[in-house]
Amino acid sequence: AQSVTQLDSHVSVSEGTPVLLRCNYSSSYSPSLFWYVQHPNKGLQLLLKYTSAATLVKGINGFEAEFKKSETSFHLTKPSAHMSDAAEYFCVVSDWNNDMRFGAGTRLTVKP
Amino acid sequence: DTAVSQTPKYLVTQMGNDKSIKCEQNLGHDTMYWYKQDSKKFLKIMFSYNNKELIINETVPNRFSPKSPDKAHLNLHINSLELGDSAVYFCASSMRTNTGELFFGEGSRLTVL
Repeated sequence: AQSVTQLDSHVSVSEGTPVLLRCNYSSSYSPSLFWYVQHPNKGLQLLLKYTSAATLVKGINGFEAEFKKSETSFHLTKPSAHMSDAAEYFCVVSDWNNDMRFGAGTRLTVKP
Repeated sequence: DTAVSQTPKYLVTQMGNDKSIKCEQNLGHDTMYWYKQDSKKFLKIMFSYNNKELIINETVPNRFSPKSPDKAHLNLHINSLELGDSAVYFCASSMRTNTGELFFGEGSRLTVL
């Protein structure tokens, strides 16, 4: 069965500095991969998705992620953090059977 | 226009009671889900319905019973509530052909005392 591991439970950055949220996946098939964001007391929102097209995927709010098969990684990045980026981020893997598995989440804190 | 709406948003109740959470989506999606998020933010799928038919039923106590009267609605009924049922329950929807793109409601926070 497929799974994802988010390598950091909490990441803290200063406003204006780069963001890196790490995700490794495990899948027997060519997976689809996603990043979702959850702001406090809100539902999850899709940030971006990879479905075997371009390996560098651009999402909303300036986020992007790169699919690296050799490293089984799908890290989320943003060049410059904004205060409004503070939230919980979930990496998700989906296999051919559309069975989606969520990571444990990474809490991003942005300091002024 | 709320795409996926859940009611109630907050629910506080005593152990042993029965409660329901309702969910409606106006996106025209054919698949709906219930997820449970615990206090550590861990998100776990409970049920999935496609066109009113149950397609995913994870290991969930049978005190939890989903009901889908039509493809725009998926309600969750919980019998004999226990302390461990306290969590945030999220409803979500998608198209079966595009299941990775889930649209979530804002959650229903259930507290069992």
